[in-house]
Amino acid sequence: EAGVTQFPSHSVIEKGQTVTLRCDPISGHDNLYWYRRVMGKEIKFLLHFVKESKQDESGMPNNRFLAERTGGTYSTLKVQPAELEDSGVYFCASSQDGARQDQETQYFGPGTRLLVL
Amino acid sequence: AQSVAQPEDQVNVAEGNPLTVKCTYSVSGNPYLFWYVQYPNRGLQFLLKYITGDNLVKGSYGFEAEFNKSQTSFHLKKPSALVSDSALYFCAVRDPHTGGFKTIFGAGTRLFVKA
Repeated sequence: EAGVTQFPSHSVIEKGQTVTLRCDPISGHDNLYWYRRVMGKEIKFLLHFVKESKQDESGMPNNRFLAERTGGTYSTLKVQPAELEDSGVYFCASSQDGARQDQETQYFGPGTRLLVL
Repeated sequence: AQSVAQPEDQVNVAEGNPLTVKCTYSVSGNPYLFWYVQYPNRGLQFLLKYITGDNLVKGSYGFEAEFNKSQTSFHLKKPSALVSDSALYFCAVRDPHTGGFKTIFGAGTRLFVKA
C-alpha cells in the first residue's frame, strides 16, 4: 500500500511569489491534515480535512495560506504571497475513519521543504 | 495550554546500551500519547501510541514507552540501541476532550548511537 506522498520535495522561491504544495493521502483515508515545522522547532498543526470539508483550520497562520481538498482526495496548500517566515517543512498526514477518530494513527508524508528567500 | 516537552535536544548512546528519550506533557485529563521517528530525508514514521490500558506500550523496531500519569511523562526506551536507531524522535499528544484530532508535538530529540 502506498503511503502519503507530497510534491514537491523541495521548493525555493522568492519573497512575494506563490507556491502550491500537494499532498496525496493514503487511499481510502478520509482524514487529511497539514502540519508545519519551522526552524527546527516543534511540528505545529495547521488544519484538518474530513473528505472535502475543513474540520479544523485553527492552526492556519494567516490568510496568505489557502488549503483545498476538492473531491475529497488530494489536497493543496497554497501560500500567496510567500514571506520569509513561511520557510520550513510542511508535512501532510492522513488517517482512516474509525469509531474513535481521535485515537487513530496519523500517517505522515515525507514533507515539502520550503525556503523563501 | 496543551504542550509537550522534550528536555534533551540530543541524546548520545553507545551501540548495545539501553536508551531513553524523555517526554513530558501538559494536558488536562487523560491524553493520547504518540512517538514518531524521522530518519534523514524521510517523513515521520509512527512508532507507538498509548490510548488506554497497560501503561507499558510496545511499538516498532523494539521500542517501548511507559505512560506515567503522576509524572505526566511518556519516555521512549529501548533495551539495546542500534546504530540504525540514529534519527530524530518526536513525542506527541492529543487531548481527547478539547483538541480533537489535532496532534501537538514536541520539538524533537536527536538520537546518536555510536558503534
